[in-house]
Amino acid sequence: DVKVTQSSRYLVKRTGEKVFLECVQDMDHENMFWYRQDPGLGLRLIYFSYDVKMKEKGDIPEGYSVSREKKERFSLILESASTNQTSMYLCASSFQGVSQPQHFGDGTRLSIL
Amino acid sequence: KQEVTQIPAALSVPEGENLVLNCSFTDSAIYNLQWFRQDPGKGLTSLLLIQSSQREQTSGRLNASLDKSSGRSTLYIAASQPGDSATYLCAVRGDMRFGAGTRLTVKP
Repeated sequence: DVKVTQSSRYLVKRTGEKVFLECVQDMDHENMFWYRQDPGLGLRLIYFSYDVKMKEKGDIPEGYSVSREKKERFSLILESASTNQTSMYLCASSFQGVSQPQHFGDGTRLSIL
Repeated sequence: KQEVTQIPAALSVPEGENLVLNCSFTDSAIYNLQWFRQDPGKGLTSLLLIQSSQREQTSGRLNASLDKSSGRSTLYIAASQPGDSATYLCAVRGDMRFGAGTRLTVKP
């Protein structure tokens, strides 16, 4: 079974802090994705990566950056956390190709105070 | 821009009922459609993936259909059980676009 592991289930940080969310997958997937999920807005794509050191902006990249130094690991960085970044963050991975299903981690519920 | 809609937003049924969840999308140029289940506070679990060339997929008590020309997909759940209670989301792949989900409650 595919395993996508997000480092924290719950995280509380303060406004202005630099926040790192980590995601690791064990299936040698080329593609990795970061989404945020908010009530009434559904899932929205923040960034995705189709290879090591490659990244593409999704629909809402403002205030975020990403890092993919190794194939199995994709990090989401909040450069200076703000209260409007309080959300559920979901990581996903898939093999290359649009026909491939995405597999999700359990999510990180992030609160910015 | 692709828009994905799921109606109803919430559904409550007695145990044992067969039920249908609906997903509609505005742009028929999709590669595939994926149905997910999400339990409270958890991530998404993939249930079924239908490629654009397929009409339906089945897994156990679940059957998903796809009609690209009309921009619709349905998820049929047979003989519902309390353990089926969750939020069900559909997602279409061109760009990956998700519906807001249908929250299903199956009462014992």
